[in-house]
Amino acid sequence: AQSVSQHNHHVILSEAASLELGCNYSYGGTVNLFWYVQYPGQHLQLLLKYFSGDPLVKGIKGFEAEFIKSKFSFNLRKPSVQWSDTAEYFCAAGATSSNTGKLIFGQGTTLQVKP
Amino acid sequence: KAGVTQTPRYLIKTRGQQVTLSCSPISGHRSVSWYQQTPGQGLQFLFEYFSETQRNKGNFPGRFSGRQFSNSRSEMNVSTLELGDSALYLCASSLNGQTYEQYFGPGTRLTVT
Repeated sequence: AQSVSQHNHHVILSEAASLELGCNYSYGGTVNLFWYVQYPGQHLQLLLKYFSGDPLVKGIKGFEAEFIKSKFSFNLRKPSVQWSDTAEYFCAAGATSSNTGKLIFGQGTTLQVKP
Repeated sequence: KAGVTQTPRYLIKTRGQQVTLSCSPISGHRSVSWYQQTPGQGLQFLFEYFSETQRNKGNFPGRFSGRQFSNSRSEMNVSTLELGDSALYLCASSLNGQTYEQYFGPGTRLTVT
């Protein structure tokens, strides 16, 4: 069965700390991978995406993620978090072989950054 | 470019009623996907429409249905509402749904009493 799992449900960090959020996926074929962020009171926004090529992808607001095929992982990282990064983060996967517009989401990780 | 818009933003309905939610995609986007977001189940895929055709459906009962119009606008309908249908319903649009990145609207918060 297709699934996406996020390791941490709730993360609390102080400003300037480094961030790494884990994401693992289980899919029958090749996948496109995404990280979305939902700031308080706002809608889901795309942080970054991986389709193919360089496994290290850079997104908006200083975020990056690394695709490791052998580990079925797509972890999100940021060297130094800010209070404004407080939000819920979702990892998502979609099959590259289908034309169905279906994304499978992880359960989400709530990040709280203390000033 | 205007983003994805959803109407209404908030809705309160009674058990047994039906409801219709609307989604207008980003101009030029032909694929519209719908998701249900709840604290317990997270984000779950409902269905996707492309060129007025439903191409895929998630694991939801037949009470959940949708359609897409020739201008790519989409509606979803839930009949015979149950308390468990209370959720945030999100619409997302993409160029053609081929797992291109999806852009999400603000959602419709449905409360069933």
